[in-house]
Amino acid sequence: AQRVTQPEKLLSVFKGAPVELKCNYSYSGSPELFWYVQYSRQRLQLLLRHISRESIKGFTADLNKGETSFHLKKPFAQEEDSAMYYCALENAGNMLTFGGGTRLMVKP
Amino acid sequence: DGGITQSPKYLFRKEGQNVTLSCEQNLNHDAMYWYRQDPGQGLRLIYYSQIVNDFQKGDIAEGYSVSREKKESFPLTVTSAQKNPTAFYLCASSEPSGVYHNEQFFGPGTRLTVL
Repeated sequence: AQRVTQPEKLLSVFKGAPVELKCNYSYSGSPELFWYVQYSRQRLQLLLRHISRESIKGFTADLNKGETSFHLKKPFAQEEDSAMYYCALENAGNMLTFGGGTRLMVKP
Repeated sequence: DGGITQSPKYLFRKEGQNVTLSCEQNLNHDAMYWYRQDPGQGLRLIYYSQIVNDFQKGDIAEGYSVSREKKESFPLTVTSAQKNPTAFYLCASSEPSGVYHNEQFFGPGTRLTVL
């Protein structure tokens, strides 16, 4: 069975500090991973996907198959990054399994 | 901000009643999904439909039912058999193309409270 774990429910950092939101997964196949974000009073939306190897809003995420991790990183956090972040794993049937989420608070 | 709409935004239900949550999309997507969002548990899949007139149970389907009579509509009924229905419900859609890693687009959600 596939599983996604986000060990931190809350992560609080100061503006300008680096931030890393952790995500670990278990999956027997080749994983396809995503980060979704939900800003206050907005819909849940895709932030970035592993397959695109992109940087969105300064965030990057690297898939580490050896450690089965897909941590989300940003070198300098901004106040507007404060949101709920979900890591998600896609299976071959287009189904997503979500982690429990991490609330990021960026303090001024 | 169209795409996917859900109604109502807030819904109150008495114990023993069935209620139906609406989800409509104008994105012409084939696949639609219902999730339940609880604090600390992320999103859990209730039901999904990959094509009209077909749907499958997700991880927590007990106490819920769905229909998919039209491509743009995927209503969810929360029945009296659902033991803990108070939650935030999210609907999503996507366009599977045979190559996965497709983005799912989410609605604004419905907050259901059982009184």
